[in-house]
Amino acid sequence: DQQVKQNSPSLSVQEGRISILNCDYTNSMFDYFLWYKKYPAEGPTFLISISSIKDKNEDGRFTVFLNKSAKHLSLHIVPSQPGDSAVYFCAAVPSTGANNLFFGTGTRLTVIP
Amino acid sequence: GAVVSQHPSWVICKSGTSVKIECRSLDFQATTMFWYRQFPKQSLMLMATSNEGSKATYEQGVEKDKFLINHASLTLSTLTVTSAHPEDSSFYICSARSGRGDQPQHFGDGTRLSIL
Repeated sequence: DQQVKQNSPSLSVQEGRISILNCDYTNSMFDYFLWYKKYPAEGPTFLISISSIKDKNEDGRFTVFLNKSAKHLSLHIVPSQPGDSAVYFCAAVPSTGANNLFFGTGTRLTVIP
Repeated sequence: GAVVSQHPSWVICKSGTSVKIECRSLDFQATTMFWYRQFPKQSLMLMATSNEGSKATYEQGVEKDKFLINHASLTLSTLTVTSAHPEDSSFYICSARSGRGDQPQHFGDGTRLSIL
């Protein structure tokens, strides 16, 4: 049962344009969300997070938006750079005291120079 | 900061062998460490959570006698795959976190385990 879903397995964007990666979740107990970036043969690298008490968090070129009513979050990267090409995972943490991350299946972003 | 080192990165061994994977937090103290497994084209699936000095908590369906986890210090956790068989071949990855559940987990680079 996939509680965190990334319905787009891949996305291609021109350099300099905006990349928008989407993530949906089903568990209303999730209250903390993270985005990770993963290059081949490496572990995921933490990018940005957001608590459920916020609807937006910004860090440089990266902005995460959270729509709790829609159980949807998105990661915006602007401007996109070729070095952003990687697989992006969203992850969620429940508020019930459990520690584990629930990961989406990932979206492969390709930024075309 | 927040570097997690995982070793080895690649293991190939014969069926029946036990394999130990180490996970170290290099520049922070990890009160909690996590072990994940990733199957091809699937997301990371949590296997177990370990807190320093206590027994690991295993997820449903994960055999604790098969996957032995030791978290002996605030910077080191080990996963031992005992009597490994070909179906245990997978990508294993650890993460570490200091503090509370609303702190990010930081991941190692993973271990590719191939059992012949």
